Amino acid sequence: SQQGEEDPQALSIQEGENATMNCSYKTSINNLQWYRQNSGRGLVHLILIRSNEREKHSGRLRVTLDTSKKSSSLLITASRAADTASYFCATSPKAAGNKLTFGGGTRVLVKP
Amino acid sequence: GAVVSQHPSWVICKSGTSVKIECRSLDFQATTMFWYRQFPKQSLMLMATSNEGSKATYEQGVEKDKFLINHASLTLSTLTVTSAHPEDSSFYICSAWIGYNNQPQHFGDGTRLSIL
Repeated sequence: SQQGEEDPQALSIQEGENATMNCSYKTSINNLQWYRQNSGRGLVHLILIRSNEREKHSGRLRVTLDTSKKSSSLLITASRAADTASYFCATSPKAAGNKLTFGGGTRVLVKP
Repeated sequence: GAVVSQHPSWVICKSGTSVKIECRSLDFQATTMFWYRQFPKQSLMLMATSNEGSKATYEQGVEKDKFLINHASLTLSTLTVTSAHPEDSSFYICSAWIGYNNQPQHFGDGTRLSIL
């Protein structure tokens, strides 16, 4: 079963707007990771946030983590058409060694 | 850095054929490699965890005799789908992990397998 649940499942925005997606999980984690997947391709690692961190930035990406609520969010600011992709959160549960459990993903469409 | 190469990217073959997929970490040594399966518009489902020099650990419901995994070196793992049938058609993705805590997995570009 999937550890993470993401919402929304799909998101359509105009270029220049911000996109926010959320991820919830069920068990204690070592870290939470966000990945991007372009259609028919593999996954590209975006950001890893450790369980003792609350916020992390990378370029136009901002990730937050609230371990008390077992939730995380990914914000893409000033979106571009090239940001069109599926975005997945993945957790590294403490009880599962180094395995990742993926959420259902959010499909983001950025319209030019 | 952290490039993972997966081959082939696309395979079409007849039912009953065995298909081998390779996953290579090109610029780092991977303590562990993972194999995932992804159905259209769905998330990734972990199939097995592969450590160099030891037997793979399969997730519940994954047939180890159907999906043979070999991890002969720190840079190469292979997945062989034996006697493939149409229901094995899917997108298979590998990832490689360097082995340090709080380091991400690095993914290959996936293999689209179509069994006729």
